[in-house]
Amino acid sequence: AQSVAQPEDQVNVAEGNPLTVKCTYSVSGNPYLFWYVQYPNRGLQFLLKYITGDNLVKGSYGFEAEFNKSQTSFHLKKPSALVSDSALYFCAVIHQAGTALIFGKGTTLSVSS
Amino acid sequence: GAVVSQHPSRVICKSGTSVKIECRSLDFQATTMFWYRQFPKKSLMLMATSNEGSKATYEQGVEKDKFLINHASLTLSTLTVTSAHPEDSSFYICSAKVEGDTQYFGPGTRLTVL
Repeated sequence: AQSVAQPEDQVNVAEGNPLTVKCTYSVSGNPYLFWYVQYPNRGLQFLLKYITGDNLVKGSYGFEAEFNKSQTSFHLKKPSALVSDSALYFCAVIHQAGTALIFGKGTTLSVSS
Repeated sequence: GAVVSQHPSRVICKSGTSVKIECRSLDFQATTMFWYRQFPKKSLMLMATSNEGSKATYEQGVEKDKFLINHASLTLSTLTVTSAHPEDSSFYICSAKVEGDTQYFGPGTRLTVL
C-alpha cells in the first residue's frame, strides 16, 4: 500500500538554527512528492514539489527538500528558522499522475525566539 | 500560485439540517477537485474526487448520499452535508488540481453541528 511517514510529531528549533522535518515514503513506481504547510484554522499552502530532475528542490519561504531515492526520503529543510515558520507541515505523495495526494500525519514545527 | 476559495469559512447549524460548502478556483480552471476532512491535529482524510461534468468518486467509508458533491463547472465544486449530525462537525478542505499534479487548497470550512 502507498504510504507516507513523518516520524516526528513535533520538531523544536531555536530561531536562526537550521531545521529539518523528516519524511519517508513507500510507493510503487516513481513518486511525485510534495510539502505543504498549514497555519491554524487555515487551508494548506504549497511549499514545493519533486517530480523529476534535480534531487534538491527549492520552494517558497526559503524552504528546500532533497529527494533521496535509495533512502526513500524527502526531508524538508531550511538553513535558518524563523518564528513565523511555526506551523503544521505535511509531506504528501502521488504514486500515479492524476490521483489524489496521500498525506503523512503531519509534523508540528515550533520555532522559539 | 493559484488561488482557491471556500465559502463559508465557518458555519454552525442544527442537527438534521443540510449545509452547502462551495469551493472555487479563482484564477484557473480545474477539471479535478478534491474534498478532504481534517480532525483536530490530524492529517487530511480524502473524502472524494470531484471531476467536472461527471459523478464524484468517493473513498471507501464515505457515504455518497450524505456528502453530495457537484462539480458543475470548471471553477466550482460544492459539497453538501445532508442531515448533518454532531459527528459531522469537522474542518472541511477542498483542493483543485492543476497541470503537473500540484494541488492548491482552499482555506477550509469549519462546520459545527449542534
